[in-house]
Amino acid sequence: AQTVTQSQPEMSVQEAETVTLSCTYDTSENNYYLFWYKQPPSRQMILVIRQEAYKQQNATENRFSVNFQKAAKSFSLKISDSQLGDTAMYFCAFMNVPDKIIFGKGTRLHILP
Amino acid sequence: SAVISQKPSRDICQRGTSLTIQCQVDSQVTMMFWYRQQPGQSLTLIATANQGSEATYESGFVIDKFPISRPNLTFSTLTVSNMSPEDSSIYLCSVARVSYEQYFGPGTRLTVT
Repeated sequence: AQTVTQSQPEMSVQEAETVTLSCTYDTSENNYYLFWYKQPPSRQMILVIRQEAYKQQNATENRFSVNFQKAAKSFSLKISDSQLGDTAMYFCAFMNVPDKIIFGKGTRLHILP
Repeated sequence: SAVISQKPSRDICQRGTSLTIQCQVDSQVTMMFWYRQQPGQSLTLIATANQGSEATYESGFVIDKFPISRPNLTFSTLTVSNMSPEDSSIYLCSVARVSYEQYFGPGTRLTVT
């Protein structure tokens, strides 16, 4: 069975710093997607970034980028120039095609002024 | 993307009663899902709502407890039946046109007393 592990339950960084959230996963499949979702306090969950396993190039969305290491089954999220609005719970997620999304337990990120 | 609304946004219910949660999306979508998120925890998929047929339930979730309807491509309901305090959670609807691009509703916060 596929699993997703986020080893950092909680993190705090100063505003404008760069922070990296870790995620590892376990699968025997070759075709899958990886996601980072953001859930701000009392607000709606939104998709931050998506990575297709067949793509070697790391996905990037503005200040958000990933480091996808397929052989190591690692999928970390880097947030550059962090902002107060980045404060949220971040979930790493995996989806085998075609199947359901499996979420990690989340990392609570605090951006400090 | 998709604009998703859920009703009610929150409710407090007595044990033994039932609550029906509605999920409405602003355009037709292929897939609709229901998740449960217990306080401070990750998301767990309850079921996939299938239009015109019975929902597909994940292990640990049964139709008698969580009946689901999906009468068309923009609307679904989840009922939490015969509630107990253990059912206190956030219930989230998500939708997708393609499997790798899920969007989440704002959630329904349920408290059972």
